[in-house]
Amino acid sequence: DIQVTQSPSSLSASVGDRVTITCRASQGIANYLAWFQQKPGKAPKSLIYAASSLESGVPSKFSGSGSGTDFTLTISSLQPEDFATYYCLQYYTYPPTFGQGTKLAIK
Amino acid sequence: QVQLQESGPGLVKPSETLSLTCLVSGGSISSSSYHWGWIRQSPGKGLEWIAAIYYDGTIFHNPSLRSRVSLSLDTSKNQLSLGLGSVTAADTAVYYCARLKRSVPDYWGQGILVTVSS
Repeated sequence: DIQVTQSPSSLSASVGDRVTITCRASQGIANYLAWFQQKPGKAPKSLIYAASSLESGVPSKFSGSGSGTDFTLTISSLQPEDFATYYCLQYYTYPPTFGQGTKLAIK
Repeated sequence: QVQLQESGPGLVKPSETLSLTCLVSGGSISSSSYHWGWIRQSPGKGLEWIAAIYYDGTIFHNPSLRSRVSLSLDTSKNQLSLGLGSVTAADTAVYYCARLKRSVPDYWGQGILVTVSS
């Protein structure tokens, strides 16, 4: 299986800040990477697919970039509703594998 | 708006079979545009892909679970089903069904907590 390593595992930030979360794949996955947001007690919500394509209805404050093995999710102008756990998912090879998550907390 | 709803027992005894169904509304599971999957989440292992099934019944398994997993579609009820045999405490998790668009889950059920315990 392809391993996906997220960093950092946790992050504190303030309302209005811009933050970046990174995923690194254990081998090249082209742009077959997606990002999800999960709030406590809820299912994950899809934010980005194909590394940089925004899902319908997702605000443009979320952006993704990268290809090959290194990817980033950037969230600008943090609002209270953005504090959650974020996961990446590689779907280049089967089985798809998730990163271990990054918990974004209010400072 | 597509909605998915998991159902099934919340408690399963060790060595028995976990059986869940996922009722889909707002879209047909027979559509060739999407396929359908099961994903679980536990504190110890995070998010784990279980398997996916296409509209024609083709199944893609996670090799680590393949020998214990069964998947099916019931087009008459617009639902999908998951069976996981010989469960142990390690199978305790929240189980999600999801619609998959190009292998990316774009709609998820709310999840169902299944505890394996005697």
